[in-house]
Amino acid sequence: DIVLTQSPGTLSLSPGERATLSCRASQSVYTVYLAWYQQRPGQAPRLLIYGASTRATGIPDRFSGSGSGTDFTLTISRLEPEDFAVYYCQQYGSSPYSFGQGTNLQIK
Amino acid sequence: QVQLQESDPGLVKPSETLSLTCTVSGASLSDYHWAWLRQPAGKGLEWLGRIYNRGRTDYSPSLKSRITMSLDTSKSHFSLKLSSVTAADTAVYYCARLGLSFFLDAWGQGTTVTVSS
Repeated sequence: DIVLTQSPGTLSLSPGERATLSCRASQSVYTVYLAWYQQRPGQAPRLLIYGASTRATGIPDRFSGSGSGTDFTLTISRLEPEDFAVYYCQQYGSSPYSFGQGTNLQIK
Repeated sequence: QVQLQESDPGLVKPSETLSLTCTVSGASLSDYHWAWLRQPAGKGLEWLGRIYNRGRTDYSPSLKSRITMSLDTSKSHFSLKLSSVTAADTAVYYCARLGLSFFLDAWGQGTTVTVSS
């Protein structure tokens, strides 16, 4: 099974700053089948990025994804107040699909 | 716009079977594949398994002996059964739709299931 490790566990930044979140896989992710989700308190997760770098419908272009193989990154170019949430990466190339433990992006 | 809505079983007693349904509107069950996930309070997301549009299933190995998923296209819903539950099965349960390459592109709002006597 593929284990995903996200870093940092918690990231404290201010609105307007740039956020860089990392996701590392224990083995290569098949065909960049890597997604990122945002979860705000009390809400279901929301798809942000799939295929490592493709933004989902309606996702602002301040969100971008990159990476391949075992190392992936989610970047938020300029943080808005609504971006402070928990972010999860997920690999969907190899069953069982797995999630990282999450990065809590909090306001500094 | 697709919408998914989980049923609300609320409290389930230890050793009993948890049963959930996910009602889908705005999309046909036969055109997509579907998934169940859960999230214990304050913790991360756990993949439970998926059911393909023709009914084939693929379960998490850690739950394979206790889990059953099914599809009812006539009622536009799919279901999850988890047997012999314990307190460790207490969580928010989500149903979701699998997109083109099996990422999760639509989610239900989640339903809280508590296992307690």
